[in-house]
Amino acid sequence: NAGVTQTPKFQVLKTGQSMTLQCAQDMNHEYMSWYRQDPGMGLRLIHYSVGAGITDQGEVPNGYNVSRSTTEDFPLRLLSAAPSQTSVYFCASSWTSTTNEKLFFGSGTQLSVL
Amino acid sequence: AQKVTQAQTEISVVEKEDVTLDCVYETRDTTYYLFWYKQPPSGELVFLIRRNSFDEQNEISGRYSWNFQKSTSSFNFTITASQVVDSAVYFCALRGPLRGSQGNLIFGKGTKLSVKP
Repeated sequence: NAGVTQTPKFQVLKTGQSMTLQCAQDMNHEYMSWYRQDPGMGLRLIHYSVGAGITDQGEVPNGYNVSRSTTEDFPLRLLSAAPSQTSVYFCASSWTSTTNEKLFFGSGTQLSVL
Repeated sequence: AQKVTQAQTEISVVEKEDVTLDCVYETRDTTYYLFWYKQPPSGELVFLIRRNSFDEQNEISGRYSWNFQKSTSSFNFTITASQVVDSAVYFCALRGPLRGSQGNLIFGKGTKLSVKP
């Protein structure tokens, strides 16, 4: 049972480059989300999805794009990387976005933008 | 708006000491859900506990205990007889009752606990 799989684990980009962080879950979870973690800031929600074909913005969506074409996958796209996007990114999923369902987290992607 | 405050940025204790991590939340919902997650130095986020707003019973799991008080909007976490392996960043989180944005998990900024031998 793989759970939530994120790739890559580490990435270095130059300012202006674009890239996609991959996230896949094999638990048939309806809800998926992306967080970024910065020192002293906790985890902040970037984008989320409550089902295939449905996405919405979180607290810090600027500079990021998402899509949800399948239940399993929820990629996060950096359109034009900036040093302010240097962070650790976590993908998380749960059965639904309601009740007391806990989030299952991926192992994270450490991104550096030079 | 929902908010979670973990006022303690860092705590350092000596092994075997008891330590309490504070969590204060804000919400206008009458139904909501509270969580604690642990992030050890390896980086992954580990679920510890969840609590519904209509269940104010405190919970104990081994050396861990949680004190939920709606009157003070607090959901504090106590580690008894701390061990070096408890060293981690601990996050408190809040979720509202509805789908959409209110169903998202809102995290506090975390408390870094260092347990020294």
